[in-house]
Amino acid sequence: GESVGLHLPTLSVQEGDNSIINCAYSNSASDYFIWYKQESGKGPQFIIDIRSNMDKRQGQRVTVLLNKTVKHLSLQIAATQPGDSAVYFCAENADYSGAGSYQLTFGKGTKLSVIP
Amino acid sequence: DGGITQSPKYLFRKEGQNVTLSCEQNLNHDAMYWYRQDPGQGLRLIYYSQIVNDFQKGDIAEGYSVSREKKESFPLTVTSAQKNPTAFYLCASSYRVSTEAFFGQGTRLTVV
Repeated sequence: GESVGLHLPTLSVQEGDNSIINCAYSNSASDYFIWYKQESGKGPQFIIDIRSNMDKRQGQRVTVLLNKTVKHLSLQIAATQPGDSAVYFCAENADYSGAGSYQLTFGKGTKLSVIP
Repeated sequence: DGGITQSPKYLFRKEGQNVTLSCEQNLNHDAMYWYRQDPGQGLRLIYYSQIVNDFQKGDIAEGYSVSREKKESFPLTVTSAQKNPTAFYLCASSYRVSTEAFFGQGTRLTVV
């Protein structure tokens, strides 16, 4: 099947700065995207999602941008804090088989390190 | 509390043995998923189920089996046919496909 990938495997930012984590996807039929945060040894936690009929969605300190033309997704974290240090995954929901059976597929992740 | 529970947190298995990982949710979700995560890697889909008594293979189903006899439960069996079973296993559920998936805290399986 087609896969979701990330541009940057690691990202270090200064506390208080903004962080931008990027994600490329290849399945143009994907209709739903989610960003997850995973701390060491734990399950992923939902951060924010966006549907394919939108190009921007904002949450608390986070914004997701979707550019369907170039199949690109980004997560922006404002005023990054030490507690934001984790691995961030984007995931896409798509029907790879064409039979109406949707799968949630994850990219490899970006490790965000916040420098105090 | 509502949520998704995986057990046990740590599991050790001898080579050649089958082992079953538990996943239970009380969120009334229709869809459930099993993922495998290797160190420094993303999540790879093993099996998923959109409704009771139905499930589909994901990208890496070989050596694994599942059942979905109850809406709340989606156990995963790692069989002796799985050549490299040591990994972190994550179960998730969602109200239906194309909605937010909630994850359990994972089971770390080690083959000794």
